[in-house]
Order: sequence, then structure tokens, then C-alpha cells
Amino acid sequence: GENVEQHPSTLSVQEGDSAVIKCTYSDSASNYFPWYKQELGKRPQLIIDIRSNVGEKKDQRIAVTLNKTAKHFSLHITETQPEDSAVYFCAASLSLSGGSNYKLTFGKGTLLTVNP
Amino acid sequence: DTGVSQDPRHKITKRGQNVTFRCDPISEHNRLYWYRQTLGQGPEFLTYFQNEAQLEKSRLLSDRFSAERPKGSFSTLEIQRTEQGDSAMYLCASSLGTGSTEQYFGPGTRLTVT
Repeated sequence: GENVEQHPSTLSVQEGDSAVIKCTYSDSASNYFPWYKQELGKRPQLIIDIRSNVGEKKDQRIAVTLNKTAKHFSLHITETQPEDSAVYFCAASLSLSGGSNYKLTFGKGTLLTVNP
Repeated sequence: DTGVSQDPRHKITKRGQNVTFRCDPISEHNRLYWYRQTLGQGPEFLTYFQNEAQLEKSRLLSDRFSAERPKGSFSTLEIQRTEQGDSAMYLCASSLGTGSTEQYFGPGTRLTVT
């Protein structure tokens, strides 16, 4: 089955700096890679995702890059703000024909702390 | 609130008791997933439904666990003869199905087995 490794487990940055979180996956068939943000005591919320036919995707201060050959993908947050502090999870999934996706396999998470 | 809802939000039970959790997905979402999350870990897949059909169960789902989605809408997850190792956050997620990949999570049910 799929295995997702995520690094680092904790990341502390100063407000305004950039943060990068990296994940690797094992199953070359995986083709859908979402990132979730989970604040303490709250539900995971999808912040950005990427499919394997795309190398990079941006949404304002957040970007995700994917290297299919190396089987790794990364989350980039620029101009970090204190409200970005949370646990971030990467995940990998097989998206079936027609778009419906299968189970998500998650990394262990990265606790991001943005210091004012 | 039109998001995924779960009930109860917290459950404390004694070892050996049975518990049942409920998940109400977003209306018209035909895929429903159950995950389990322990402290410091990412969610782990347990099972999922396409409408009322349970299509896969993880090996994490022992014989003490059973899930149903009788009418293709809400789902229940029952744990029989609870053990302390069952203590975790049980998360439900739903997705639209064909043409959509995004899974939307509920707030979870935190189970504590004493």
C-alpha cells in the first residue's frame, strides 16, 4: 500500500518568512495530492491540492510543487502570518477515472509555528 | 452549517462497552469515509462507502468495528467491546464522487476508553 513520509515534524519561522514542508510517497500510481491544515481541536481543512498532470499550483501565498519522477511534493507558504500556525498534513491518493478519489494516505503532520 | 457533521463530539466509555458514532455527510455527497486519528499522527483510513455500499475496509478495522450507511445518507460506526487502544479521534469525510476529488472532513468524535 501507499506510504507517505513528511518532514519536518516541527517548523518554527518568523512572521514574514517562508515555510516549506516536504513529502514523499511510495506508490507511483498515486495521482492526487492534497494538503490539509488542522488547527488545534478542529477538523482538517483542505488548503490546496495538485494532480499528477501538473507540476506546480499556486493560490495566493500558498503553492504546491510535485516531482513525479522523484515521488515527492512540497508545500510552500510565503509571507507567513501568525494565523498560519497549525498542523499541516500532506496526503496521497489514487484518483479514479471520472474524478472520484479513493482513500487518502496521510503523512504524520508538521507543526508550523509562526512567531510574531 | 451545511458541512459534515458528527455526533457525539466527545464520548467517554468504560472498557468493554459498545459505542456508536454518527456521521452526516454534505448533502448529495455519495462517498463517505471514516478515518481514525491518534495524537501526533495523521488520519488513518478505516473504510469508505459509495452510496450504501461499503467498498473497502482497512485491516485496522478489526471484527469489533462495523460501519453502515443504510440509505446512502448518514453513516454509523460501531465499536464493540471497546479497548483502551480504541481511544482516538474518529473523523468522517465526504466527497461528491464522480468528477470531484476533494474530501471534506467533519469535526470528529473524540473517544476516550477508560
